[in-house]
Amino acid sequence: AQSVAQPEDQVNVAEGNPLTVKCTYSVSGNPYLFWYVQYPNRGLQFLLKYITGDNLVKGSYGFEAEFNKSQTSFHLKKPSALVSDSALYFCAVRDDTGFQKLVFGTGTRLLVSP
Amino acid sequence: SQTIHQWPATLVQPVGSPLSLECTVEGTSNPNLYWYRQAAGRGLQLLFYSVGIGQISSEVPQNLSASRPQDRQFILSSKKLLLSDSGFYLCAWSVKAGDTQYFGPGTRLTVL
Repeated sequence: AQSVAQPEDQVNVAEGNPLTVKCTYSVSGNPYLFWYVQYPNRGLQFLLKYITGDNLVKGSYGFEAEFNKSQTSFHLKKPSALVSDSALYFCAVRDDTGFQKLVFGTGTRLLVSP
Repeated sequence: SQTIHQWPATLVQPVGSPLSLECTVEGTSNPNLYWYRQAAGRGLQLLFYSVGIGQISSEVPQNLSASRPQDRQFILSSKKLLLSDSGFYLCAWSVKAGDTQYFGPGTRLTVL
């Protein structure tokens, strides 16, 4: 079955520094990968997705993600973190069995300090 | 543009009482609809999904049920709430299965 793993419960970074939130995946075919962000007591917001093509995907709010097939990773990145980026980030993969639902990771909390 | 609404935003209910949460989508037709539960501000659990009116699939056995009486309306219900039903309930829609899902603002349910 398709799955994603987010190995870090929390990532701490200072404002202005680059940030990386890690995600690795396990799929039987070609991966469809997604990143979402959730602010406190809010729904998830879509940031970006990888289907095929360029390994560097650009998304909303200055975020980008790098798809690496050999390392089965899809890490979320931003060159310069903002305090307002502090939130919960979810990686997800499309399950290609049956209904093709999205399978979400457990989430990584990003804390950006001033 | 498409929008998704959920209500109520928050709800406090006693154990054993009924539940009805509503989700509606505007600006699209025949969306796929989803109900998720998020416990303790972390992982998402898919509860139900629907590909059309009256078509509901359940992902996990539980105390909850779902219905889709209209194309863009998705309802989550329970006849008798349990303490374990507390959580943050999220509705989402997508154009088709496996595609990007767009989430509503959520309902915070507390069962006392």
